[in-house]
Amino acid sequence: TQLLEQSPQFLSIQEGENLTVYCNSSSVFSSLQWYRQEPGEGPVLLVTVVTGGEVKKLKRLTFQFGDARKDSSLHITAAQPGDTGLYLCAGGYYKLSFGAGTTVTVRA
Amino acid sequence: DTGVSQNPRHKITKRGQNVTFRCDPISEHNRLYWYRQTLGQGPEFLTYFQNEAQLEKSRLLSDRFSAERPKGSFSTLEIQRTEQGDSAMYLCASSGGGIAYEQYFGPGTRLTVT
Repeated sequence: TQLLEQSPQFLSIQEGENLTVYCNSSSVFSSLQWYRQEPGEGPVLLVTVVTGGEVKKLKRLTFQFGDARKDSSLHITAAQPGDTGLYLCAGGYYKLSFGAGTTVTVRA
Repeated sequence: DTGVSQNPRHKITKRGQNVTFRCDPISEHNRLYWYRQTLGQGPEFLTYFQNEAQLEKSRLLSDRFSAERPKGSFSTLEIQRTEQGDSAMYLCASSGGGIAYEQYFGPGTRLTVT
């Protein structure tokens, strides 16, 4: 059973557009991690958020952790085809629980 | 900077055969994890080692599955009497560096049971 729900499941946008994906839970997490995964490869860690209300920026990616530490969002500004992939959120300390992911496709 | 490596990358086997996968973690990491990922799902936790001690196993890890980390370095995951339902991507991750709980994943082993 996945404790984390991600939405939307699929997202297809044109290059240059912005997008937001969401990660929600009924449980409080001490930290949340965001990963990007490409087909046939393992997930690559993008960021870890640990403090309620925290905002982290990684170039064109902005990550927010909800005040109650139950939800998080990932916003991509001016998406590029290289941003295409499966975006996964994961919570937990040593035993990560993952959402099912959001498949993002950025069309050139 | 060497990341997590896994071998083989792909394995095709017939139902009923045994298979073994290997994971080499990032050298300074003392924690090692195994996950399984099926199509359309996020990874699911299987088991976790701290050094050579296996500290937790998921109920997903049936009696046909066994994992070892004999010297606290590399780890192996063996599946005995494989079933078609075992077809999945098996992912290994390690942690223990600057932020102890951040997990870094290997490229995975894709298992296909025919």
